[in-house]
Amino acid sequence: NAGVMQNPRHLVRRRGQEARLRCSPMKGHSHVYWYRQLPEEGLKFMVYLQKENIIDESGMPKERFSAEFPKEGPSILRIQQVVRGDSAAYFCASSPYTVNTGELFFGEGSRLTVL
Amino acid sequence: DAKTTQPTSMDCAEGRAANLPCNHSTISGNEYVYWYRQIHSQGPQYIIHGLKNNETNEMASLIITEDRKSSTLILPHATLRDTAVYYCIVRVADSGYALNFGKGTSLLVTP
Repeated sequence: NAGVMQNPRHLVRRRGQEARLRCSPMKGHSHVYWYRQLPEEGLKFMVYLQKENIIDESGMPKERFSAEFPKEGPSILRIQQVVRGDSAAYFCASSPYTVNTGELFFGEGSRLTVL
Repeated sequence: DAKTTQPTSMDCAEGRAANLPCNHSTISGNEYVYWYRQIHSQGPQYIIHGLKNNETNEMASLIITEDRKSSTLILPHATLRDTAVYYCIVRVADSGYALNFGKGTSLLVTP
């Protein structure tokens, strides 16, 4: 049973470009969470999605950031017009469909570097 | 969710028990205590969670005080691979919302 898969693991973008980070949850999981970890800082919640629905986006920056979790395919975190401050590790987590017990299964993260 | 307080860092000798404290004095009756850890550069890993009874699994034990205002995560025989940041989180189970990670405790296991 494969774990949470994130890609790319490393992404380099120049200022002003777009970054797309993908997350495939564990099989049978329909809850997806995105977190951001800035260098030397803790994990900050960004957004919680279920299939085709954004449930909680209270941690998302108001501009340039968007997330989706379509009926088919992985969840996508999209960052438009990236700036140096977006350089961070972005972690995706998933949880089971039936009951959200609070146990999240995390991927290995995508590390974005903005030049 | 209730706020938690953890020491910034701790050391533990390899093979000894690591006891990581967490204070959550404002916890309410329907809030669980969760522990996660993050080994350097990896994704966080779930360890254990509990409501009021002590819990044990293959990774660790969780001891919650009777008044539920504090808890201790115990790694019975720490190894070098247990060096990580340990997060204590309090939240309502089945609430469908995200876990909020604080700064955690940086545990260093030494040879």
